[in-house]
Amino acid sequence: KAGVTQTPRYLIKTRGQQVTLSCSPISGHRSVSWYQQTPGQGLQFLFEYFSETQRNKGNFPGRFSGRQFSNSRSEMNVSTLELGDSALYLCASSLVSSAGGNNEQFFGPGTRLTVL
Amino acid sequence: AQSVSQHNHHVILSEAASLELGCNYSYGGTVNLFWYVQYPGQHLQLLLKYFSGDPLVKGIKGFEAEFIKSKFSFNLRKPSVQWSDTAEYFCAVNGVMGRRALTFGSGTRLQVQP
Repeated sequence: KAGVTQTPRYLIKTRGQQVTLSCSPISGHRSVSWYQQTPGQGLQFLFEYFSETQRNKGNFPGRFSGRQFSNSRSEMNVSTLELGDSALYLCASSLVSSAGGNNEQFFGPGTRLTVL
Repeated sequence: AQSVSQHNHHVILSEAASLELGCNYSYGGTVNLFWYVQYPGQHLQLLLKYFSGDPLVKGIKGFEAEFIKSKFSFNLRKPSVQWSDTAEYFCAVNGVMGRRALTFGSGTRLQVQP
């Protein structure tokens, strides 16, 4: 079974631009979560989607947004990029059968975003 | 707010030495606990998980962890490390009942010398 895939793997943008990152979960997984990984702040939760609905949101500004499609694929968008947005953005999917379920999360390789 | 503390930031061991990495959490409710590993140049992989039942859980590659509820701890152990265990290790916690967002510790960098 194919793992979580993320595109693109690397991205360079300049301040003020916006960016869209894509994530395809493992087949059958309906929950998709996004995390930001930086050397200073570590791994931080951004948001989670289940059945096209945002279920949880982390403590990030409104410039960070996401969505999920009917095939469970997810995108996250960052508008008005700042230098501090440079990070590895990780997507994780989970096999849960309901909004209230829980299970381990499988991570993709990430998208490394550099903001100049 | 929930938090996870990993006390060892950088650990250096020789091959065949025993390993124990500490993890303590603060969380208002019943938790699920995880250890993830990130090998150099690779993505995060699940080592082991605890949801309920036997507090001593075994994972892949000979790793195990013990959940001690009274101490809010979930320490990772391996009796004999190998050079290939060189990686960064992350402890994580989330809540039951659909609160799936993982809270991660800051990570422990393990360096195993041949």
